[in-house]
Amino acid sequence: QKEVEQDPGPLSVPEGAIVSLNCTYSNSAFQYFMWYRQYSRKGPELLMYTYSSGNKEDGRFTAQVDKSSKYISLFIRDSQPSDSATYLCAMSDRGSTLGRLYFGRGTQLTVWP
Amino acid sequence: KAGVTQTPRYLIKTRGQQVTLSCSPISGHRSVSWYQQTPGQGLQFLFEYFSETQRNKGNFPGRFSGRQFSNSRSEMNVSTLELGDSALYLCASSIQTGGDDNSPLHFGNGTRLTVT
Repeated sequence: QKEVEQDPGPLSVPEGAIVSLNCTYSNSAFQYFMWYRQYSRKGPELLMYTYSSGNKEDGRFTAQVDKSSKYISLFIRDSQPSDSATYLCAMSDRGSTLGRLYFGRGTQLTVWP
Repeated sequence: KAGVTQTPRYLIKTRGQQVTLSCSPISGHRSVSWYQQTPGQGLQFLFEYFSETQRNKGNFPGRFSGRQFSNSRSEMNVSTLELGDSALYLCASSIQTGGDDNSPLHFGNGTRLTVT
């Protein structure tokens, strides 16, 4: 079992829809949680970065972390065709694993006009 | 501010050869990490350097090595290439200060290595 599980999709939604992306994890030491967006032929781009549990909002994006359930989510409101990409969750703990992120496999999202 | 720069963007090598990939981090970033991305395994951690010292290493064979220079630029080397080494190799930098804080990683666009 991988430390981070993410449904690979693909997920296809119409423009304007609310998108929900999720990851589960097994390592209770994880405290830092990230979402990256990766377009084809590009590197991952940091979207959201949160520490510990709670919600964080940035424009149309909301990240939620529930450490008690070991579950994180990314919500995209009013989705746009330009949001079509692969979304990767990533997480890490403190200390010895500095610089090492544990990634989900990524969810491929297509937003059609 | 310029992002993480990786060169070359594409490489084609044959089995048994060796290859060196280069990474220039964001200005002011002292930590550089390397990841391998494949369709089957996703992103896997290779190693991380800070102030020219390797701080962490993933579960890859010794054929994979790296180094960091005094200007924070980094290189990774893969010797005796195998077909399974075909992948996108991603470099990421962060502004970590060397303590136990955990600053986010910023990735380059990668080097696409094809081994034939």
